[in-house]
Amino acid sequence: KNEVEQSPQNLTAQEGEFITINCSYSVGISALHWLQQHPGGGIVSLFMLSSGKKKHGRLIATINIQEKHSSLHITASHPRDSAVYICAPYGGRTGNQFYFGTGTSLTVIP
Amino acid sequence: NAGVTQTPKFQVLKTGQSMTLQCAQDMNHNSMYWYRQDPGMGLRLIYYSASEGTTDKGEVPNGYNVSRLNKREFSLRLESAAPSQTSVYFCASRSIPTRYEQYFGPGTRLTVT
Repeated sequence: KNEVEQSPQNLTAQEGEFITINCSYSVGISALHWLQQHPGGGIVSLFMLSSGKKKHGRLIATINIQEKHSSLHITASHPRDSAVYICAPYGGRTGNQFYFGTGTSLTVIP
Repeated sequence: NAGVTQTPKFQVLKTGQSMTLQCAQDMNHNSMYWYRQDPGMGLRLIYYSASEGTTDKGEVPNGYNVSRLNKREFSLRLESAAPSQTSVYFCASRSIPTRYEQYFGPGTRLTVT
């Protein structure tokens, strides 16, 4: 069962390009977490959002709870953005469960 | 603050051996989690502890046990390691139920031969 679907699975972009990563989920949620995993393996929190839009530097995350969809945008992409981006909706039947997508692997070429 | 720390970073075990993965957080968080990450799959919850003194099974608990030693520490034990437990293990913590954000440790890469 795949409660979370991310697209694309892999993405290669030229430096400076605008990037969009999509996340769709099938469970009811109260919030959604975007995570970044660098090649070294560490996982870092980018955003936690429950409605609308959040912006942090060149990163923008949006969510539509009713449509069960979230997007992560990177403006003016840079090689240091190369990482795996993971979508993690929070909620579900128990109301306190995290679900995890398999991630989108992004490579930004100079 | 060190955040969430895990030891060891790498470990190789033979089938049948036992070991304990250690996790500690210095953020005074109530909830702690153990996940495993395998190629092509999302993070999967092994066990979690909503608060000191409580533990609950997650999606893939078989072959594992946990101990919430105190508010800071949450350990994961493999009693008899199997090759299927070869994975990267992440510990995470979260402050209070209304703060959804999780903070992750650096991970432990475990190989069982």
